[in-house]
Amino acid sequence: DTGVSQNPRHKITKRGQNVTFRCDPISEHNRLYWYRQTLGQGPEFLTYFQNEAQLEKSRLLSDRFSAERPKGSFSTLEIQRTEQGDSAMYLCASRRTESYTFGSGTRLTVV
Amino acid sequence: AQSVTQLDSQVPVFEEAPVELRCNYSSSVSVYLFWYVQYPNQGLQLLLKYLSGSTLVESINGFEAEFNKSQTSFHLRKPSVHISDTAEYFCAVSDHQAGTALIFGKGTTLSVSS
Repeated sequence: DTGVSQNPRHKITKRGQNVTFRCDPISEHNRLYWYRQTLGQGPEFLTYFQNEAQLEKSRLLSDRFSAERPKGSFSTLEIQRTEQGDSAMYLCASRRTESYTFGSGTRLTVV
Repeated sequence: AQSVTQLDSQVPVFEEAPVELRCNYSSSVSVYLFWYVQYPNQGLQLLLKYLSGSTLVESINGFEAEFNKSQTSFHLRKPSVHISDTAEYFCAVSDHQAGTALIFGKGTTLSVSS
């Protein structure tokens, strides 16, 4: 069990650029979640996968946000045309039964 | 849909004093409840959870929380805090449906001073 891995740890990008983050869940965890955490707030749920199926995406913040999990293993979160308000920590979690394990997150700074 | 309210955004206490971090939830169905801790510049770590059974759950580092269904609360307590307990604490809820995401409160900053 190597934990949930997220890459990169930090990303600085210019406004208007696209960014993509990767999450590698614990192997055999079939459920994967993406969250956003801004300073002073709790994690905010964005989207959820069971295996390769995206079962909940209504909470994605705008149509600039999209996520994939093509083979039911790793997942990517893409933000197109980034805005300064997208600056936040993006967290990934994987789950087996009622045990959720979080990665260390990707901190995005949009300048 | 579930929601979580953490009633105190900041709780300053002195070392060895008792502390209570309050959490109330809202849900129309049965829930699972969690407390997570986030130390500065670190990820979220599970502190304790209530799934079923005994309403009092404990962590390995002296924290405990009690599920109170009638008051829809899951307050976190520790009888004597240490400097090292300084962190952000998040209460979270999910319902019993398979796959439901954790919904978090806004967090409580616990600051322990000597």
